[in-house]
Amino acid sequence: DAKTTQPNSMESNEEEPVHLPCNHSTISGTDYIHWYRQLPSQGPEYVIHGLTSNVNNRMASLAIAEDRKSSTLILHRATLRDAAVYYCILDLYGGSQGNLIFGKGTKLSVKP
Amino acid sequence: EPEVTQTPSHQVTQMGQEVILRCVPISNHLYFYWYRQILGQKVEFLVSFYNNEISEKSEIFDDQFSVERPDGSNFTLKIRSTKLEDSAMYFCASRRDSSNQPQHFGDGTRLSIL
Repeated sequence: DAKTTQPNSMESNEEEPVHLPCNHSTISGTDYIHWYRQLPSQGPEYVIHGLTSNVNNRMASLAIAEDRKSSTLILHRATLRDAAVYYCILDLYGGSQGNLIFGKGTKLSVKP
Repeated sequence: EPEVTQTPSHQVTQMGQEVILRCVPISNHLYFYWYRQILGQKVEFLVSFYNNEISEKSEIFDDQFSVERPDGSNFTLKIRSTKLEDSAMYFCASRRDSSNQPQHFGDGTRLSIL
């Protein structure tokens, strides 16, 4: 399985943008980049995913490097509710029935 | 928005007893998964299920574990003879199809083995 590397932790102030980086230098052409997050005492929650182009949804934006070896999850205005562990996961299109391999993720703390 | 539901939220069981964890996936989803998370550790894949059979399973999913879709709505994980090290959060997830669709997770069942 292709692996990802994320910082162990990051801090942000409320109402400010947050950029969460992820390196995936061994990504293959058919791997989608998925982001999930896990709030305290909850199950993982899907945030966003993309293949090559940048993506936006109501929760976040995903910026993907041109060579696809890295990506950045952008939370435009962090709220206290965004404090969670964020996971960057490569998901092989149509392969392996889609089971997700979670790393340790980035623990995001949001200060009021 | 439809969601994955899991019951019970907390299960306490004596070591050696059988336990069944229940999940109701999202109704039009075709792929089903179980994951577990030991306290303070990573989320780990256990098993995937499609078309009424196991698609993939991890090394954790040994002969003590089984899964079943007994009817059109439930998806269960059975642990035949529980061990202390089975204590963990167990998460069920479902996905609409095998393309790049996201998985939707339930809030988990906390299993405590005494």
